[in-house]
Amino acid sequence: KAGVTQTPRYLIKTRGQQVTLSCSPISGHRSVSWYQQTPGQGLQFLFEYFSETQRNKGNFPGRFSGRQFSNSRSEMNVSTLELGDSALYLCASSLETGTFGNTIYFGEGSWLTVV
Amino acid sequence: SQELEQSPQSLIVQEGKNLTINCTSSKTLYGLYWYKQKYGEGLIFLMMLQKGGEEKSHEKITAKLDEKKQQSSLHITASQPSHAGIYLCGADGPGKGSGNTGKLIFGQGTTLQVKP
Repeated sequence: KAGVTQTPRYLIKTRGQQVTLSCSPISGHRSVSWYQQTPGQGLQFLFEYFSETQRNKGNFPGRFSGRQFSNSRSEMNVSTLELGDSALYLCASSLETGTFGNTIYFGEGSWLTVV
Repeated sequence: SQELEQSPQSLIVQEGKNLTINCTSSKTLYGLYWYKQKYGEGLIFLMMLQKGGEEKSHEKITAKLDEKKQQSSLHITASQPSHAGIYLCGADGPGKGSGNTGKLIFGQGTTLQVKP
C-alpha cells in the first residue's frame, strides 16, 4: 500500500510568486492535513480537509489556502510568497476525522525555499 | 502557545544504552502520537496511545501514557545507530475529548544521537 505522496519534493520560488503543493493520501483515507515545519516554530498545523470540506484551520494568514478533491487528493497554495514561508511542508492523512483511534501518517514533505 | 513539553531537548548515548524521552502536557491528552523524523524528511509513525496506563511496544521501542493521561514516555532499549533522529510527540488538542482530528499540536522534538 503506497504511503502519503507529496509533490514536488523540492522547489525554489521568488518572493511575490505563488506556489501549489500536492498531496495524495493513503488509499482509502479521507482526511488530509497540512503542516509547516521551520527551525524556529517547529511543526505547526495549517488546515485539515475531510470530504472536500475544510474542518480545521490553524493560525496562518489568508495567503495560505487549500482544497481537497473528490478522490481525497489535496493541494495547498501559498500566494505572494515571503522569505519566511521557506519551510518543509508536510501532508498527513488518516481514515477519518472526529473519531477516536485515528492513526495519522505523514508524507516525506515538500521543501520550499523562497529567495 | 506551547502545550506539549518534551525533555530532554537533545540526547547523546552510547550504542547499547537505554534511554527515555518524556512528553508532558498541562491538560488531559486524548490521543498521543509518537513520531520519528530524520532531518529534512517526513515523520515516521511509531505509536499512538489513548487510554490511561496504556503501553505499546514495537521492536525495541516502548511508549507509555500515564494514568492521568498528561504524560507520555518513549523508552528505547539497547539503542542502535538506526535509532538516531528527532523524536516528536503530538497530541490532538490537549484537553479536547471529542474524537481525534488531524489537527495535532507537537512538542519541540528531542534529537537523539547514538554513538557507535
